[in-house]
Amino acid sequence: EVQLLESGGGLVQPGGSLRLSCAASGLTFSTYAMSWVRQAPGKGLEWVSVISGSGSRTYYADSVKGRFTISRDNSKNTLYLQMHSLRAEDTAVYHCAKDGKTSGWWDWGQGTLVTVSS
Amino acid sequence: QSVLTQPPSVSAAPGQKVTISCSGSSSNIGNNYVSWYQQLPGTAPKLLIYDNNKRPSGIPDRFSGSKSGTSATLGITGLQTGDEADYYCGTWDTSLSVGVFGGGTKLTVL
Repeated sequence: EVQLLESGGGLVQPGGSLRLSCAASGLTFSTYAMSWVRQAPGKGLEWVSVISGSGSRTYYADSVKGRFTISRDNSKNTLYLQMHSLRAEDTAVYHCAKDGKTSGWWDWGQGTLVTVSS
Repeated sequence: QSVLTQPPSVSAAPGQKVTISCSGSSSNIGNNYVSWYQQLPGTAPKLLIYDNNKRPSGIPDRFSGSKSGTSATLGITGLQTGDEADYYCGTWDTSLSVGVFGGGTKLTVL
């Protein structure tokens, strides 16, 4: 059974930084692309970023490009999201998700809440 | 404003059938697989359909998916009160090189 456990969320001031982590188990981590998807309070799902299994390719939503960096450590089965220059509109629950081989986000963590407020 | 368009809400009686539409463009739905998700209140999304019309193991055949051109549809038959949830479509947008979701549809089982 795949398990994804996010951590690192919390309250941060506008302009601040935060690093999220996602510890994965129950899968051959390095063979799967991994994504971050966020959900603002009372809103829908918003895709944030994806990283290939090897870590060589990354893609970002325009809303976070240049501020967020996705990375992974396959030796630790861990996915990261480094967030800088945080804004109020970045307030959301951040989920990590395992990408399917052909489509879909197959497994999801419960998420970690990031609140950007002064 | 989401790249994929879904109706905000749908409703039907227990035992009935409901469909949820998801409209996109040639750069996303038109040339990529569509997936569907169920999100019960306070929980993480759950994959219902992948590759347009395939169900992961454990998803009942009451849930079905289809795609035609730049639109996709989720069907749910034999509605149960436990099906009340938010449903999202998702895919990849080749032109933007980003993942995209619909705005979500709230299903009410009357």
